[in-house]
Amino acid sequence: DSGVTQTPKHLITATGQRVTLRCSPRSGDLSVYWYQQSLDQGLQFLIQYYNGEERAKGNILERFSAQQFPDLHSELNLSSLELGDSALYFCASSVRGSYNSPLHFGNGTRLTVT
Amino acid sequence: GNSVTQMEGPVTLSEEAFLTINCTYTATGYPSLFWYVQYPGEGLQLLLKATKADDKGSNKGFEATYRKETTSFHLEKGSVQVSDSAVYFCALSEAGNQFYFGTGTSLTVIP
Repeated sequence: DSGVTQTPKHLITATGQRVTLRCSPRSGDLSVYWYQQSLDQGLQFLIQYYNGEERAKGNILERFSAQQFPDLHSELNLSSLELGDSALYFCASSVRGSYNSPLHFGNGTRLTVT
Repeated sequence: GNSVTQMEGPVTLSEEAFLTINCTYTATGYPSLFWYVQYPGEGLQLLLKATKADDKGSNKGFEATYRKETTSFHLEKGSVQVSDSAVYFCALSEAGNQFYFGTGTSLTVIP
């Protein structure tokens, strides 16, 4: 058990809809990362937060947004969903302060857009 | 820029065979290097890491040595088991804690 909790585990929704994915980092970790994993694109970095502030952006679409709250949990909002957004979405956390710190991943949310 | 290149899969081995999964990297500075493993239906788990040149990371019989001169971090295991069947990801991290992942190598071990 990595200590990173993601909910829900599975989500099925229709095109055009909006969903929210939730992540609770490991106790003591201040940094949260979101990744998208699909069969054809591998593991794609979306966005990183540290202690409530956005730190880095990757290949995140404008239809997607995220935030990290004062209690350090994070939410990823996906709107105007398209079939191509179907993927596994992972949250990971780490203790910032050193690039030696590894990421700890949750078990992911599997999103299916129909 | 930074990037990680892994050998293409899938890889199929018989139980007790020797495993090598190649990983090379490009980095602007002095990264830390990691191997992660992903079992079916689960998230990525840290397998091992190395933080400077010539460091050897090891865990569960897996090893990888940080080779600065060849910019490589190949994963090896002397005798694989069926339970090692998974997808393996090589990754690097530099200052700022940005992580760069390879595309993953799928390993299947048959009895």
